[in-house]
Amino acid sequence: QQQVKQSPQSLIVQKGGISIINCAYENTAFDYFPWYQQFPGKGPALLIAIRPDVSEKKEGRFTISFNKSAKQFSLHIMDSQPGDSATYFCAAAWALSGSARQLTFGSGTQLTVLP
Amino acid sequence: ETGVTQTPRHLVMGMTNKKSLKCEQHLGHNAMYWYKQSAKKPLELMFVYSLEERVENNSVPSRFSPECPNSSHLFLHLHTLQPEDSALYLCASSQTGSPSYEQYFGPGTRLTVT
Repeated sequence: QQQVKQSPQSLIVQKGGISIINCAYENTAFDYFPWYQQFPGKGPALLIAIRPDVSEKKEGRFTISFNKSAKQFSLHIMDSQPGDSATYFCAAAWALSGSARQLTFGSGTQLTVLP
Repeated sequence: ETGVTQTPRHLVMGMTNKKSLKCEQHLGHNAMYWYKQSAKKPLELMFVYSLEERVENNSVPSRFSPECPNSSHLFLHLHTLQPEDSALYLCASSQTGSPSYEQYFGPGTRLTVT
């Protein structure tokens, strides 16, 4: 099963609050879990990523928590700011034939941070 | 900017037209991808080229035809499209063998089929 299930579909938080987005997967062949951020009119851009041998990765206000046994991972945005308002996609990657990799994306979460 | 450019940014075409989307990457990568992004749906991988050879074709209808003449350029040729093909088409590139596996996306072409 190549799907990645993402929730919630939309999220509204107050400035300074914590935004939490969750994803779940089934395929144990996935070996890389990135989060992408997309602003209107732009393509997705890599925000932060984690490998399954690590349970947590933090970069500034953004943290990925990874639970390998539960096949779940989540993005936490601390001290959320209005500039964080965007659509966030989780993804999971595995190796294609050859050396390219394929990403399967979640359906996206539209985050709105109120001033 | 990400170093991946796409032209045109917007395209309106009739169902009987033939058009092409162009993608160019300036990052020295050796893999390129076409994705389709529809409202409220996950990004759908359409085609993957690695070292200028197609390595993936995710059951995409034949009215979409990719072309990768070199590692910096990728085209998507369109003909006899359907209204449900209206979407944002995204190009991405990556460096195979890179430990980060990061894919860099272009801004997309917004396609409307009338």
